[in-house]
Amino acid sequence: EPEVTQTPSHQVTQMGQEVILRCVPISNHLYFYWYRQILGQKVEFLVSFYNNEISEKSEIFDDQFSVERPDGSNFTLKIRSTKLEDSAMYFCASLTPGARETQYFGPGTRLLVL
Amino acid sequence: ELKVEQNPLFLSMQEGKNYTIYCNYSTTSDRLYWYRQDPGKSLESLFVLLSNGAVKQEGRLMASLDTKARLSTLHITAAVHDLSATYFCAVGSSNTGKLIFGQGTTLQVKP
Repeated sequence: EPEVTQTPSHQVTQMGQEVILRCVPISNHLYFYWYRQILGQKVEFLVSFYNNEISEKSEIFDDQFSVERPDGSNFTLKIRSTKLEDSAMYFCASLTPGARETQYFGPGTRLLVL
Repeated sequence: ELKVEQNPLFLSMQEGKNYTIYCNYSTTSDRLYWYRQDPGKSLESLFVLLSNGAVKQEGRLMASLDTKARLSTLHITAAVHDLSATYFCAVGSSNTGKLIFGQGTTLQVKP
């Protein structure tokens, strides 16, 4: 069964450093998303991406964040200058709309900012 | 701003008992999702409800959607320990597909 994959599974970084989180969505999907989940809290929407551009972003997704689909398979989330409060689990998800639409989530990247 | 509220947030129950988790949301939507999350793991899709009155069942779990009341329920029948997890409902945007999640309900099923 096709699945969303993410790398790395864990990342530890120093405050102020740049991080890039990588995702490979399901191959025939058209819509891509990033979410985050701070430990013990709910899942929060960050950004949606369609047709090579951002279709919607949340208040969390400020100028420090960017997304890119550099080739036909990868979808990346970059945080330019990490803050302590960026520590969270980051999930990538993908979707092809239709009668049985389901948004499939990757396994997540646990980011720890020290 | 769309808000999604679940209750209860924590549920401890005995094996064999029935219970219902409620998910209320604040604005019109015809897409309602239920996910399961085990500790430290990702989100596993359980149900996608796409129309008013939709009811879906899988094993001991049954989900329903009332778009007029802006309410979805997840009913657990004869709970077993393997159902222990956190359950999230999420409301979908028809424009971009983004999901807005509830706070989650942590279910603990005791033998």
